[in-house]
Amino acid sequence: GAVVSQHPSRVICKSGTSVKIECRSLDFQATTMFWYRQFPKKSLMLMATSNEGSKATYEQGVEKDKFLINHASLTLSTLTVTSAHPEDSSFYICSAEGSVWDEQFFGPGTRLTVL
Amino acid sequence: EDKVVQSPLSLVVHEGDTVTLNCSYEVTNFRSLLWYKQEKKAPTFLFMLTSSGIEKKSGRLSSILDKKELFSILNITATQTGDSAVYLCAVGSGGSNYKLTFGKGTLLTVNP
Repeated sequence: GAVVSQHPSRVICKSGTSVKIECRSLDFQATTMFWYRQFPKKSLMLMATSNEGSKATYEQGVEKDKFLINHASLTLSTLTVTSAHPEDSSFYICSAEGSVWDEQFFGPGTRLTVL
Repeated sequence: EDKVVQSPLSLVVHEGDTVTLNCSYEVTNFRSLLWYKQEKKAPTFLFMLTSSGIEKKSGRLSSILDKKELFSILNITATQTGDSAVYLCAVGSGGSNYKLTFGKGTLLTVNP
């Protein structure tokens, strides 16, 4: 149980294009999902908290107009990187809050490379 | 600003050794401390600790939290090469705006 999937696992795009990443909780419902970013050999940095049916809460320094988050259902949250640039290249990981308070289960991550 | 510090940053041991990984934290409105193992992809959940002094155990791995001294340790006994990974400590904090703050991780390498 408590499986979280992400799609795609890897994406390469040209500078200026937009990329959508999906995060799904496969066997449970997640009112809250989280989006993280991880640079090589660095830890996970929380970008935003995604709540089903309401606006996402962004961490300080994260541009909400650049990283659009939609949590349309209890099993799906999407992150769209708009007008991507090479500096947006990173490993993006989502997590979903399980039934146990504070427990988070992570998706396998999406490696984004912007050329 | 919430802070989670892990030590050591990296560690190389031989199979069969016992290792202790450390995590100290300073956060506002502490709720829980979580340990994750990260290999090539996303972190996999190991333990969540909320109460001080109670050891959580799973096979060769165990962890304990000291809320007074604001730290936790993760012990791995009889290490195996498959234990090689980055071990991440994360602290959950906040009320309605709950979030996890991660440490930089400890890279453990277990040599045969």
